[in-house]
Formats: sequence, structure tokens, C-alpha cells
Amino acid sequence: QLVLTQSPSASASLGASVKLTCTLSSGHSSYAIAWHQQQPEKGPRYLMKLNSDGSHSKGDGIPDRFSGSSSGAERYLTISSLQSEDEADYYCQTWGTGIYVFGTGTKVTVL
Amino acid sequence: QLQLQESGPGLVKPSETLSLTCTVSGGSISSRSYYWGWIRQPPGKGLEWIGSIYYSGSTHYNPSLKSRVTISTDTSKNQFSLKLSSVTAADTAVYYCARSEVFDIWGQGTMVTVSS
Repeated sequence: QLVLTQSPSASASLGASVKLTCTLSSGHSSYAIAWHQQQPEKGPRYLMKLNSDGSHSKGDGIPDRFSGSSSGAERYLTISSLQSEDEADYYCQTWGTGIYVFGTGTKVTVL
Repeated sequence: QLQLQESGPGLVKPSETLSLTCTVSGGSISSRSYYWGWIRQPPGKGLEWIGSIYYSGSTHYNPSLKSRVTISTDTSKNQFSLKLSSVTAADTAVYYCARSEVFDIWGQGTMVTVSS
């Protein structure tokens, strides 16, 4: 079964970096994922597509502070130079034949 | 640039059918490169994929909702639609349409409340 696992929360200080993890279920370590940001009271915003080899393609207007990387079944989103507007929920998402799956989301708090 | 906009009733009675439409502008829904999807988010909860459709009419549905969901396209209007039958309070959510497979373009979302 295709499942994505995310930690419920993460925090870091203003100007620091935070690294979020999304783990693919067993047997699905080659899958690409997408990262989405949802700021409070707003709709989701596509950040990037992240492949198993760590290559990624970002959406229009996504700052360089957002980057992605991969290791095995884990997919990472790193936010550098944290800003107040980065306080949001971050969802990973993947797809297979005829199915799309979202992770449960990680709430990022900027201290 | 490509934009998506959801429309439909904001209030639906229990046991009735929820119907929403997503209008695509700035591009064609008949693009051979994409599926078009519906996603929902109950208040205070995470995102849940409902289903997706290709312009040809090929569909994929979330197994947990499959018995109640129908997604269709109207290429002449550049729209795709969602019908969810036999709704209950658990179907109360913000409903989004988006371009699959990475959901790189989202509509703004529309709140649907199921209540008598």
C-alpha cells in the first residue's frame, strides 16, 4: 500500500533552517513526490516535484530558500533562512497507477 | 497563465448529492499531458484526494469514496465536475480542483457544508 509518513510538527528560529522528512512506504522507494505549502487560512501551493535521485523542479516563483533532496525512501524539504511567512503546513504527495496519496502534513513553526 | 476555479452550492443537505464544477482558464482541459483532480480538506484536517479524470474521460477514484463519486468532463466548456452522493456531515470540507499528477496548479477552493 502506497503511504507517505510525515512528522506532525517542526520548528526553528527566524533565519535558521529546517529540514522536513517524508517517508515512502516499503516497496515504493523509487517514487517521485511533490511538496505543497499551505499557509494559515489559504489554499495549498505547489512547491516542487522531487525525484528519487534528488533532482527537483520547483513551481513558478518559489524562492531559492526551498530545496529538495532524497535518500532511499526518504524525501526531504529544506527551508533555509526561515521567514515568518514560512510558518505553514507542508504536505508531501505522490502518485501511482490510478492513485494519488497525501501525507498527513508537517506544521512548521517559526520561533 | 492557467487558472482553475471551483463553483457550486455551499450548503448541501444530508443524503443529497454534492455537485461542484471546476472551470479551467488560460489553457485547455484537453491537454494530453494531464489528469485533472479533486481534493478535499475537512476543517482542521489534512488533504484527501477524491479522484482524477483525463480529458478522454478515463477516471481514477479514491477507493474509500469510489462508491459515491463521479467525475466527468465537459471539454466544450473547458470544465470538469464532481458529484458525491449520499453526503453526510463527514463530507463537510473545502473542496479543491487541481491539475494532476503533481497538483501544480490549484483552484482557490470552495467550502461545502453538509447540514439540514
